[in-house]
Amino acid sequence: DAGVTQSPTHLIKTRGQQVTLRCSPKSGHDTVSWYQQALGQGPQFIFQYYEEEERQRGNFPDRFSGHQFPNYSSELNVNALWLGDSALYLCASSPGGGLLGYTFGSGTRLTVV
Amino acid sequence: QKEVEQDPGPLSVPEGAIVSLNCTYSNSAFQYFMWYRQYSRKGPELLMYTYSSGNKEDGRFTAQVDKSSKYISLFIRDSQPSDSATYLCAMSPDSWGKLQFGAGTQVVVTP
Repeated sequence: DAGVTQSPTHLIKTRGQQVTLRCSPKSGHDTVSWYQQALGQGPQFIFQYYEEEERQRGNFPDRFSGHQFPNYSSELNVNALWLGDSALYLCASSPGGGLLGYTFGSGTRLTVV
Repeated sequence: QKEVEQDPGPLSVPEGAIVSLNCTYSNSAFQYFMWYRQYSRKGPELLMYTYSSGNKEDGRFTAQVDKSSKYISLFIRDSQPSDSATYLCAMSPDSWGKLQFGAGTQVVVTP
């Protein structure tokens, strides 16, 4: 049984560019949450998608947007990248939006130069 | 002031010792408390999940929650070199899955 799958694993972008990160949830999970983890810090909640809608959002600017598809997979888009966006982006999935069974992927390491 | 405070360490212990980790928090609305382990270049892995106050034990791991003091702890007995990792506390006011994390404590267990 595959867990949470994220792609790509690593990415280098230039300031001002746009990036799209992808997440496939664990089988049986319908909710996807995205987190940003800066080096040496804990993950920070970006937003959560359930039934193809953004249900909750953290303190991130509108440059961060997302989408959930009918198969429950999700994308995180970041526009106008700046150096401070360099981080590990984690996706977590869970069944029914709850905390039980909350499972993280290995993340996408984004470097902005 | 951060909502969740956690000493970043590093915490170095000899193999077989008890590892003691803790977090303090300021938001009295937090009801769900979790501990995650994160190895380098990997995503966090859930170790313990606790609702409200009390103790919970699972194998070598014991989690304690003291809501009156806004303080949670994780104890790892008989520590092994494979326990070397970063340990993150996380909490949420409800079951909807928006977690607030501490900064993580790096633990090194030396043989």
